[in-house]
Amino acid sequence: GAGVSQTPSNKVTEKGKYVELRCDPISGHTALYWYRQSLGQGPEFLIYFQGTGAADDSGLPNDRFFAVRPEGSVSTLKIQRTERGDSAVYLCASSSSENQPQHFGDGTRLSIL
Amino acid sequence: GDSVTQMEGPVTLSEEAFLTINCTYTATGYPSLFWYVQYPGEGLQLLLKATKADDKGSNKGFEATYRKETTSFHLEKGSVQVSDSAVYFCALHSSNTGKLIFGQGTTLQVKP
Repeated sequence: GAGVSQTPSNKVTEKGKYVELRCDPISGHTALYWYRQSLGQGPEFLIYFQGTGAADDSGLPNDRFFAVRPEGSVSTLKIQRTERGDSAVYLCASSSSENQPQHFGDGTRLSIL
Repeated sequence: GDSVTQMEGPVTLSEEAFLTINCTYTATGYPSLFWYVQYPGEGLQLLLKATKADDKGSNKGFEATYRKETTSFHLEKGSVQVSDSAVYFCALHSSNTGKLIFGQGTTLQVKP
């Protein structure tokens, strides 16, 4: 079946702009996670949704980052007033429940010029 | 807080060599442990997992045993292939939270 889908695969924008990154999880998966992976590092947790609500947003670096999942399926990660330090690969994962393995999308490579 | 430490890479081996990639962890409670692999140009894939002490996870010839006494989850393979060249990530899933905590990754390069 279809895996986790992330769009766009690449995004290049200028410093100060607003960006939205989309994640379409595996059908039926109630848990959805966002991670950020900088070059040469492992993924770092940003936020976790169980259904429509954010169960843990402790990894969001500051208030420029926000994520939603209004219908409990697709999620959007939103970054305001982007900075060059936001450049990274943003990964989305989903699982059938909190204690099941997470399945990752291919990520969105975000480059802030 | 919870953390994962992996041996630094890159690791370069000849085909059919024995592979060990060390991974140790610090965690409260009883985490589940995972190895993920990222092949060139591809996304993260779950390689194997273990959910409790002394469990052995295995897949595609790779194995790792959950050792609570040494807080380790070392990845091993008896005979690597060129197609195993990838970045390998050790991770833990805390029993208290939904998130995965990853190590920094270890690059494996296998030469013919």
